[in-house]
Amino acid sequence: AQSVTQLGSHVSVSEGALVLLRCNYSSSVPPYLFWYVQYPNQGLQLLLKYTSAATLVKGINGFEAEFKKSETSFHLTKPSAHMSDAAEYFCASSGTYKYIFGTGTRLKVLA
Amino acid sequence: NAGVTQTPKFQVLKTGQSMTLQCAQDMNHEYMSWYRQDPGMGLRLIHYSVGAGITDQGEVPNGYNVSRSTTEDFPLRLLSAAPSQTSVYFCASSPGDLSEKLFFGSGTQLSVL
Repeated sequence: AQSVTQLGSHVSVSEGALVLLRCNYSSSVPPYLFWYVQYPNQGLQLLLKYTSAATLVKGINGFEAEFKKSETSFHLTKPSAHMSDAAEYFCASSGTYKYIFGTGTRLKVLA
Repeated sequence: NAGVTQTPKFQVLKTGQSMTLQCAQDMNHEYMSWYRQDPGMGLRLIHYSVGAGITDQGEVPNGYNVSRSTTEDFPLRLLSAAPSQTSVYFCASSPGDLSEKLFFGSGTQLSVL
């Protein structure tokens, strides 16, 4: 069955530090994978997506993610956190006519 | 561009009342879906539709009905509201190719007392 697991419901980093948000997927075939961001009281915005064209995907706001089939992972990274990155981040996969989301990771950026 | 429009933005219901959450998109998207968002549980798929006249259940369909009579509209009906249905509801659509992103509405905050 299609599923997405996000490790860590809350992550805190200092401003300027590396951001690493973890996502693992479960699927019989490599799915399409997405990272979305949700700012307080707003809907979800797409950060980036993987569609098999390249394993390293670059998105908006300096974020990128690497698809690793051997680890069934699609972790999100950003080299240097900014205060404006504080938000909730969702990993999602699509397949068999559905988009399935993980439980989310709330990122806190410390000054 | 209106995109995905959800109404109402806020709603308070009493247990047992019925209501319909409206969702409309003007992008000619084949795929439409409803999610509920609860703290710590992410977005859970309630129902989805791959085209007019075609709907299917998602992860948490109990207590909700949908229909898709037109490409543009995908209403979500609560027949007899329960406190467990207190949540934020999002409608989302995509062109139909699963490699495409979902376009989200702004959400409906529903409280059932």
